[in-house]
Amino acid sequence: AQSVTQPDIHITVSEGASLELRCNYSYGATPYLFWYVQSPGQGLQLLLKYFSGDTLVQGIKGFEAEFKRSQSSFNLRKPSVHWSDAAEYFCAVGGHNQGGKLIFGQGTELSVKP
Amino acid sequence: DADVTQTPRNRITKTGKRIMLECSQTKGHDRMYWYRQDPGLGLRLIYYSFDVKDINKGEISDGYSVSRQAQAKFSLSLESAIPNQTALYFCATSDGDSPLYGYTFGSGTRLTVV
Repeated sequence: AQSVTQPDIHITVSEGASLELRCNYSYGATPYLFWYVQSPGQGLQLLLKYFSGDTLVQGIKGFEAEFKRSQSSFNLRKPSVHWSDAAEYFCAVGGHNQGGKLIFGQGTELSVKP
Repeated sequence: DADVTQTPRNRITKTGKRIMLECSQTKGHDRMYWYRQDPGLGLRLIYYSFDVKDINKGEISDGYSVSRQAQAKFSLSLESAIPNQTALYFCATSDGDSPLYGYTFGSGTRLTVV
């Protein structure tokens, strides 16, 4: 079955510290992988996406993610977290010929301590 | 104006009432989606539409119906609302068949059924 798992429901980091949010997927075909961010009261905004090529992808707001096929993972990282990064983060997977549908993980809520 | 507009932003309704959530887009995208978001469950697909004459059920369509009135409009109805339909509802659009294009999300409708 196709699924996305984000093992961490809630993470708290100090401002300026590094961040890694985990995402594992189960998908029968070549996956297209996404990270979205949801700020309070807002819709979801695309941070970055991977579909082929270099397994380290850069996104907006200083985020990056690394695709590891052997581990079925697509973890999101940021070297130095800012207070404005506090939000909920969703990992999603889709595939070609799937009608554009995405499967989302459960989300990870990020809190940032001053 | 936002690319994807959802109305209302917030709604409280009583059990058994019929309610419609509306979504309109100015992106010119063919594909439109309705998701609901529940804490700890992420986003789950309710219905999706590839064009005006093509509507499909998602993973949790029971208790919901949709109408694609035009390319730009996609409405979600709860015929007889029940409390476990209390959730945050998102409309999203995408262009083309491939998830490479990602989604554009509306800001969401927070629905409370009492």
